[in-house]
Amino acid sequence: GAVVSQHPSWVICKSGTSVKIECRSLDFQATTMFWYRQFPKQSLMLMATSNEGSKATYEQGVEKDKFLINHASLTLSTLTVTSAHPEDSSFYICSAVEAGRRFYEQYFGPGTRLTVT
Amino acid sequence: KNQVEQSPQSLIILEGKNCTLQCNYTVSPFSNLRWYKQDTGRGPVSLTIMTFSENTKSNGRYTATLDADTKQSSLHITASQLSDSASYICVVSLMDSSYKLIFGSGTRLLVRP
Repeated sequence: GAVVSQHPSWVICKSGTSVKIECRSLDFQATTMFWYRQFPKQSLMLMATSNEGSKATYEQGVEKDKFLINHASLTLSTLTVTSAHPEDSSFYICSAVEAGRRFYEQYFGPGTRLTVT
Repeated sequence: KNQVEQSPQSLIILEGKNCTLQCNYTVSPFSNLRWYKQDTGRGPVSLTIMTFSENTKSNGRYTATLDADTKQSSLHITASQLSDSASYICVVSLMDSSYKLIFGSGTRLLVRP
């Protein structure tokens, strides 16, 4: 089956630094990837839609200059949290859409736990 | 407004027992409805996916039903196991080119020995 990986699985950084999270589709090409964040005991909240070769589309209330998204290839999207602060601590999950399938299934990555101290 | 509501919010059952989780949605245009299982600290894993023309779909001990007229779905878990302890999320997909999903808030299930 389709597999999506994320790296790192967890990261701790100091306030003010930047952190990059990678999302890869391992055995399929993904023209579209999504980035979500999830706070404890809450459901996933869509942050942005990433399309290969074009600028990401951000959801209302998400700062595009703070959460930089790059989708440079059909198998890789990156999310960079710039000048991270403790309130950015969260669980970040990506998903990838496998092109050509009947229901454009979204396959989710295992998530990245970000802790900003 | 597109919404997906789930109940109960949380549920505790004994190992071996059955349980049913509920999902109501007001999403248009509707494409399909999915149930995901999410273990703590992990990404969601798809259990079932149904279009409006499908009434039921099974995946092992998981059986999902869909009533497109009343816009309700349920997920029935049979002979629960400790490993079923997780959050179960009902998700509806829009029939447009956005690929976006509308997420329910989930039901947190705890199976006790």
